Amino acid sequence: GESVGLHLPTLSVQEGDNSIINCAYSNSASDYFIWYKQESGKGPQFIIDIRSNMDKRQGQRVTVLLNKTVKHLSLQIAATQPGDSAVYFCAENNYGQNFVFGPGTRLSVLP
Amino acid sequence: NAGVTQTPKFRILKIGQSMTLQCTQDMNHNYMYWYRQDPGMGLKLIYYSVGAGITDKGEVPNGYNVSRSTTEDFPLRLELAAPSQTSVYFCASRQGQGRTEAFFGQGTRLTVV
Repeated sequence: GESVGLHLPTLSVQEGDNSIINCAYSNSASDYFIWYKQESGKGPQFIIDIRSNMDKRQGQRVTVLLNKTVKHLSLQIAATQPGDSAVYFCAENNYGQNFVFGPGTRLSVLP
Repeated sequence: NAGVTQTPKFRILKIGQSMTLQCTQDMNHNYMYWYRQDPGMGLKLIYYSVGAGITDKGEVPNGYNVSRSTTEDFPLRLELAAPSQTSVYFCASRQGQGRTEAFFGQGTRLTVV
């Protein structure tokens, strides 16, 4: 069946360093993938998406990489800031109507 | 622009009671979703709707019902509350038509005792 999972449940980085959050997926037919950020007590917030025909996409301080050969997705955050502390979820498209979410990675930014 | 609004924010129910979680969006989005999030876990899809009058089951629909009589509103009904339904519930909407970004409400924290 379909599944989206994460390699690491928690990640701690020093302020100013780069963060890399990983995600594995199993449905090779997924059309696109999305990263969400969830701060404590809030709903998830869209960060960036990438379509399956792309390998890389950049946003403001974030880059998403897609490796379809090994079914791996990563989110890179440059110059990590305290405001980046949150839980990050990857999600994969499910036939264009809904999404399957992974369990999430908690990112802690150390001063 | 309010986005996605959920009410109530918190609720405690006794086993066997029923309630409706309200969700409304003012972005004229076609797609709406209900997810539940258990502690330390990801989001599980309960029900979704691709437009007014159309609803479909997600991964974990048992114990819940939905309706979509208007584009704006997508209420989630719990008929006989059980402790297993203790969770945080999120409503989300998405425009569709190639747009991937979903907008989430602030969530409803439900405890069944």
